[in-house]
Amino acid sequence: QQPVQSPQAVILREGEDAVINCSSSKALYSVHWYRQKHGEAPVFLMILLKGGEQKGHEKISASFNEKKQQSSLYLTASQLSYSGTYFCGTGGLDRAGSYQLTFGKGTKLSVIP
Amino acid sequence: ETGVTQTPRHLVMGMTNKKSLKCEQHLGHNAMYWYKQSAKKPLELMFVYSLEERVENNSVPSRFSPECPNSSHLFLHLHTLQPEDSALYLCASSQVFNSNQPQHFGDGTRLSIL
Repeated sequence: QQPVQSPQAVILREGEDAVINCSSSKALYSVHWYRQKHGEAPVFLMILLKGGEQKGHEKISASFNEKKQQSSLYLTASQLSYSGTYFCGTGGLDRAGSYQLTFGKGTKLSVIP
Repeated sequence: ETGVTQTPRHLVMGMTNKKSLKCEQHLGHNAMYWYKQSAKKPLELMFVYSLEERVENNSVPSRFSPECPNSSHLFLHLHTLQPEDSALYLCASSQVFNSNQPQHFGDGTRLSIL
């Protein structure tokens, strides 16, 4: 079952902050975050593994709450280059017992001057 | 040079045609994936190959036929497609087949079925 992302879309002015949430109905082993600009390939941002960790680089960070089966992506002091669609991918076991990465529908982020 | 290269970038074909999509990765990875990306839908995993063996086939119609001749190349053979198959087809690779590994995507092939 695919994770649920919220919000579906958000518009920010340069310098503003945003939070994108990703929730799953099943137990998670990992959460991936990717960003895709229009007409381009999705680009890997970060992976968070079991353990409730927080990761980040520069002004983009994320948290993973294993108990709540959710992750949040934090974008601070947004820049125009942050515009794109953000996908979370949740890693877990499928019915056959093998690892499966399932993606959400994405959150479209638009940063305006 | 990008890590994952897909050709062609755009493809228009009729429902009776046969064509193939190609993916090549230069990252030394052992796992390769095909995804379908349609408007307003999440990325749908189609096939996974690990060390040239198919490990996942997510109920994909038989009109899509994958081929992995070696760990660097992946093909998707298409025949008798339907209009609903129009989408962006993305190839990805990861070091190993494991949901804890980041996936590196190609730019995709935009497929339009007439």
